[in-house]
Amino acid sequence: KNQVEQSPQSLIILEGKNCTLQCNYTVSPFSNLRWYKQDTGRGPVSLTIMTFSENTKSNGRYTATLDADTKQSSLHITASQLSDSASYICVVSANSGNTPLVFGKGTRLSVIA
Amino acid sequence: GAGVSQSPSNKVTEKGKDVELRCDPISGHTALYWYRQSLGQGLEFLIYFQGNSAPDKSGLPSDRFSAERTGGSVSTLTIQRTQQEDSAVYLCASSLDGTLDEQFFGPGTRLTVL
Repeated sequence: KNQVEQSPQSLIILEGKNCTLQCNYTVSPFSNLRWYKQDTGRGPVSLTIMTFSENTKSNGRYTATLDADTKQSSLHITASQLSDSASYICVVSANSGNTPLVFGKGTRLSVIA
Repeated sequence: GAGVSQSPSNKVTEKGKDVELRCDPISGHTALYWYRQSLGQGLEFLIYFQGNSAPDKSGLPSDRFSAERTGGSVSTLTIQRTQQEDSAVYLCASSLDGTLDEQFFGPGTRLTVL
């Protein structure tokens, strides 16, 4: 069964600190993995997308890594800001144009002053 | 530029009533998706439209749920005889082509069934 598991479920960090969010998946055959940021009351917004051959990709203070062998991804946030408070959702796509994406339940990040 | 828009933003209805939720995708996007997000849960796929192909309805939870996409643009998600467990945020997304393309999400419609 295609699944995406994220950890931790929630996280509280101090402003300025770094943090790492984890994503494990069993989706096969793998096509790509996306990290989305979802602010409260808003739709998800894409942060990064990684294909099988990519190990790391950065978007500002966000850096995503992918290990296709172990089927794990991480999202590292550097020098966190209050505006980083949101849910971060890992989404995996199978290698089929008509297969729905598989969404993780997300990690709820709270950055406090 | 215009993104994906949804209406209404909030909808409160009584159990047993029918509701219609609207999605306007990004112009030129051929693929449109509906998802449901319940409190504390991940996004749940409902239905997927791609061009003129028959929609993928595999995620619809019951026959009370249906969706249409007219003219390859605007889509309407209809829930008949609403139940309290239908309460959730309903998100619409569109992408340029198929599911391998990035999906752009609308703000969602928060449905509350009393």
